[in-house]
Amino acid sequence: EAQVTQNPRYLITVTGKKLTVTCSQNMNHEYMSWYRQDPGLGLRQIYYSMNVEVTDKGDVPEGYKVSRKEKRNFPLILESPSPNQTSLYFCASSSRTGEQYFGPGTRLTVT
Amino acid sequence: GEDVEQSLFLSVREGDSSVINCTYTDSSSTYLYWYKQEPGAGLQLLTYIFSNMDMKQDQRLTVLLNKKDKHLSLRIADTQTGDSAIYFCAESISNFGNEKLTFGTGTRLTIIP
Repeated sequence: EAQVTQNPRYLITVTGKKLTVTCSQNMNHEYMSWYRQDPGLGLRQIYYSMNVEVTDKGDVPEGYKVSRKEKRNFPLILESPSPNQTSLYFCASSSRTGEQYFGPGTRLTVT
Repeated sequence: GEDVEQSLFLSVREGDSSVINCTYTDSSSTYLYWYKQEPGAGLQLLTYIFSNMDMKQDQRLTVLLNKKDKHLSLRIADTQTGDSAIYFCAESISNFGNEKLTFGTGTRLTIIP
């Protein structure tokens, strides 16, 4: 089954404690992205990747890092999380011209 | 930069048509999308339209694009309770279509029995 998986689905952490949210897709897609969803703001792109070792900033990259060492994986790293990074995070993947497939979301709370 | 706007809420009686509107600012948009998000779930692509098209119909869904006014709408015919969700429009200005999407705030559609 074609899918994008994210782990964990829910995470509560404390300010400053490094965390990684994993994202994996099984569709051999070139493109992968991370978004955050906040009430009244819709989805905003954090980072995207057009292929292995090719990443670029989206609209709200501050406080986040990504890497794309393998085609299927695109982890999101928060080196020093802060409460304003409390949000719902979505990973997505697509081929160059096809539909974007979204993961189920990771709800992160930073206290 | 790109900006996409939608009204936040829409209520419609079951069986009526729902029309969800969206305006965007970037005239170089190549693809425009409608996504559906059900409670606790990710986003599901409903339909999309290429910028050189005016209309696209897919079963109960009709998308209208007015490039001059930078206005996109999604009409859902015979609205059912299962259509209750948040609907996002999104635009892409990439020639490839997919590396960067700009989303609207989402419109929460509520169905009145």
